Amino acid sequence: DTGVSQDPRHKITKRGQNVTFRCDPISEHNRLYWYRQTLGQGPEFLTYFQNEAQLEKSRLLSDRFSAERPKGSFSTLEIQRTEQGDSAMYLCGGGTGLAAFFGQGTRLTVV
Amino acid sequence: SQELEQSPQSLIVQEGKNLTINCTSSKTLYGLYWYKQKYGEGLIFLMMLQKGGEEKSHEKITAKLDEKKQQSSLHITASQPSHAGIYLCGADNRGAQKLVFGQGTRLTINP
Repeated sequence: DTGVSQDPRHKITKRGQNVTFRCDPISEHNRLYWYRQTLGQGPEFLTYFQNEAQLEKSRLLSDRFSAERPKGSFSTLEIQRTEQGDSAMYLCGGGTGLAAFFGQGTRLTVV
Repeated sequence: SQELEQSPQSLIVQEGKNLTINCTSSKTLYGLYWYKQKYGEGLIFLMMLQKGGEEKSHEKITAKLDEKKQQSSLHITASQPSHAGIYLCGADNRGAQKLVFGQGTRLTINP
């Protein structure tokens, strides 16, 4: 158990709907990462927080994606107007360095 | 941008046999991270290598970093069914606060 929990574990949504995922790292994790993983591929970086500050965003993160980490604790990732191409596993990792300890992930299926 | 290539992409071995997975980088490696992933689940951190020639072990899994070859290898001795899963290498993209991952190696252990 890494201490990082993600909710929900699975989400099926219709195209065009908005979805929000939550990640709860342990309190010592001042860094928080979001990655996206499609079938048969390695994770791709989406965004990174140092405490409550969002310090980097990937070009993969279009205007439909937004992430927050209020008060440097839990984080949310919202996808607006979902598209079929958004179907993937969304992984959240927390840590004090690059070696993030990941949660179980949220698998999103857009139908 | 840095790219990581893992070989082989998939591997089937008989229980008790030894095996090696390689991770080759297109650029200099400043840090190399190995993770294991069960199908449909999150990533489990195995170990981190930072110096050329460094070798680390975790139970029956040993990883080495060859800076000159820009390569890391992961060796499993006397494989067990519990070793089955997807092994991912992630590289420290120097100066960037994120990891770049390989595409993964799917390991199957036959009894």
